[in-house]
Amino acid sequence: QKEVEQNSGPLSVPEGAIASLNCTYSDRGSQSFFWYRQYSGKSPELIMFIYSNGDKEDGRFTAQLNKASQYVSLLIRDSQPSDSATYLCAVESYIPTFGRGTSLIVHP
Amino acid sequence: DAGVIQSPRHEVTEMGQEVTLRCKPISGHNSLFWYRQTMMRGLELLIYFNNNVPIDDSGMPEDRFSAKMPNASFSTLKIQPSEPRDSAVYFCASSTTANTGELFFGEGSRLTVL
Repeated sequence: QKEVEQNSGPLSVPEGAIASLNCTYSDRGSQSFFWYRQYSGKSPELIMFIYSNGDKEDGRFTAQLNKASQYVSLLIRDSQPSDSATYLCAVESYIPTFGRGTSLIVHP
Repeated sequence: DAGVIQSPRHEVTEMGQEVTLRCKPISGHNSLFWYRQTMMRGLELLIYFNNNVPIDDSGMPEDRFSAKMPNASFSTLKIQPSEPRDSAVYFCASSTTANTGELFFGEGSRLTVL
């Protein structure tokens, strides 16, 4: 059974702070890793993907991957209230498996 | 492109009735997924099609659920008979085979079975 684990939260951070979201996975054969953002009542949308160990930066977002530890994280710098959403980690070995998501609240 | 289109957006039905959910993937995408989302279980994969062929249906809960993809631009998910525990948001998503994990989701169909 392939598992993707996330802390459900909520994670509450003040505006302007760094939000750190974490995800662990069980399938060592996983090769692709994704972060989706889902606003309440909306569908998930892809915000980041990472395939290699290390960091990948895109604007205020940084994805970090450590395959040896089976760990992937998402950092959001200069958090804004508009970042408040549920963040879903997805791991793919041949089809994507999603974690249950972490709720992020950015308060002014 | 209009994105992934799902219908209906909302469906309220009574236990025992047949429910059909529809999906039109993004043109050129040859992978199509049906997911179900609930508070308790999160986002669960029901079935995955590639080039209109069902590749993995291990997530389909039971025989009451069936899915078809008669052509590259249309898929259906049918529940017959429906039960209250089927109440959830059903998402259709599409992607290219080369980038299967980069999913584009439809807006979802919220199903309530009374």
